[in-house]
Amino acid sequence: EPEVTQTPSHQVTQMGQEVILRCVPISNHLYFYWYRQILGQKVEFLVSFYNNEISEKSEIFDDQFSVERPDGSNFTLKIRSTKLEDSAMYFCASSVREGLAGPYNEQFFGPGTRLTVL
Amino acid sequence: GESVGLHLPTLSVQEGDNSIINCAYSNSASDYFIWYKQESGKGPQFIIDIRSNMDKRQGQRVTVLLNKTVKHLSLQIAATQPGDSAVYFCAENMQAAGNKLTFGGGTRVLVKP
Repeated sequence: EPEVTQTPSHQVTQMGQEVILRCVPISNHLYFYWYRQILGQKVEFLVSFYNNEISEKSEIFDDQFSVERPDGSNFTLKIRSTKLEDSAMYFCASSVREGLAGPYNEQFFGPGTRLTVL
Repeated sequence: GESVGLHLPTLSVQEGDNSIINCAYSNSASDYFIWYKQESGKGPQFIIDIRSNMDKRQGQRVTVLLNKTVKHLSLQIAATQPGDSAVYFCAENMQAAGNKLTFGGGTRVLVKP
């Protein structure tokens, strides 16, 4: 069964450093997402990406965050200057295979990257 | 991919019994509601969804009930198995706002053998 993969599984960084979290969405999916989950809190939407541009973003997704699809398979989340409060699980998700239509399409989540900012 | 939390409500259920997990959602304009399961070390996994024009939907061993009057969603798991032990999240989606999901706080289900 196809699945979303994420690397690394755990990233430790110093405050102020840049980090790039990587995701490989399910092949032929068209919509890509990043969510995060701070320990003990809800899963929160960060950003969605379609057709090589951001389609929507939350208030959390400020200028320190950026996303990119550098090639046909990877989808990345960059945090330019990490803060202590960026420590969280970051989940990538993808949805919509080509040819499927419908107002709601299941989002498939990856296993997450645990980011620890020291 | 642990969605752990010191303050997660926990439901302990005996293997073979039925489980009911409840969720209160916030947006009366939401069109879709989804239940996700998260096992230790994994990301959220889709279980079942329901549209706002329905009040009940059944899957394999799971049933979702939607009460729009009180903005309440529930997930019923029949004959709970050890493999059902996980954290369960409800999520809502409003089409007009795109594909983003708004998650609830989660309930931990522990199945006792």
